[in-house]
Amino acid sequence: EPEVTQTPSHQVTQMGQEVILRCVPISNHLYFYWYRQILGQKVEFLVSFYNNEISEKSEIFDDQFSVERPDGSNFTLKIRSTKLEDSAMYFCASRAGRGAEKLFFGSGTQLSVL
Amino acid sequence: RKEVEQDPGPFNVPEGATVAFNCTYSNSASQSFFWYRQDCRKEPKLLMSVYSSGNEDGRFTAQLNRASQYISLLIRDSKLSDSATYLCVVESSGTYKYIFGTGTRLKVLA
Repeated sequence: EPEVTQTPSHQVTQMGQEVILRCVPISNHLYFYWYRQILGQKVEFLVSFYNNEISEKSEIFDDQFSVERPDGSNFTLKIRSTKLEDSAMYFCASRAGRGAEKLFFGSGTQLSVL
Repeated sequence: RKEVEQDPGPFNVPEGATVAFNCTYSNSASQSFFWYRQDCRKEPKLLMSVYSSGNEDGRFTAQLNRASQYISLLIRDSKLSDSATYLCVVESSGTYKYIFGTGTRLKVLA
């Protein structure tokens, strides 16, 4: 079964550093998402991406965050200057397109900001 | 009111029991509804979509009540392997956002 792939599985960084989390969505999917889950809390929507632009973003997704689809396969989340509270599991997800509502998740990147 | 609300549990039930979870949502224009399962520190995995007519997949039955804005999940003949957190997910109509509830934790006991 095709799957969403995320790298790295764990990322440790110092506060104030930039990090890039990488995702390879399922190949024929058109809609891409980033979610995060702080330990013990719920899965929170960050941003959705379609047709090479952001279609929706949450209040969490401030100027420190950006997303990019640099080529036909990768979808990245960049955090410019990490804060302690950015420590969380970050999940990438994709879905096929209109009429296909099922969201498929990658196994996540655990980000630890020290 | 929260967009998607669930009782966090935990629900501790013996093997073989039937257990039901409810979830309420606030946006009456929501169109798509799902139950996901999440094991500890793993990604959410789709359990089933929820349709207006209700749907069943083996031991799992999902129902949608649009008038009262809630969805339910029934698990029959619980197995130890059903122990997990069950996430209610609602797509906000007209957006591309899927909103997750806090999840309901289930522990099936031997």
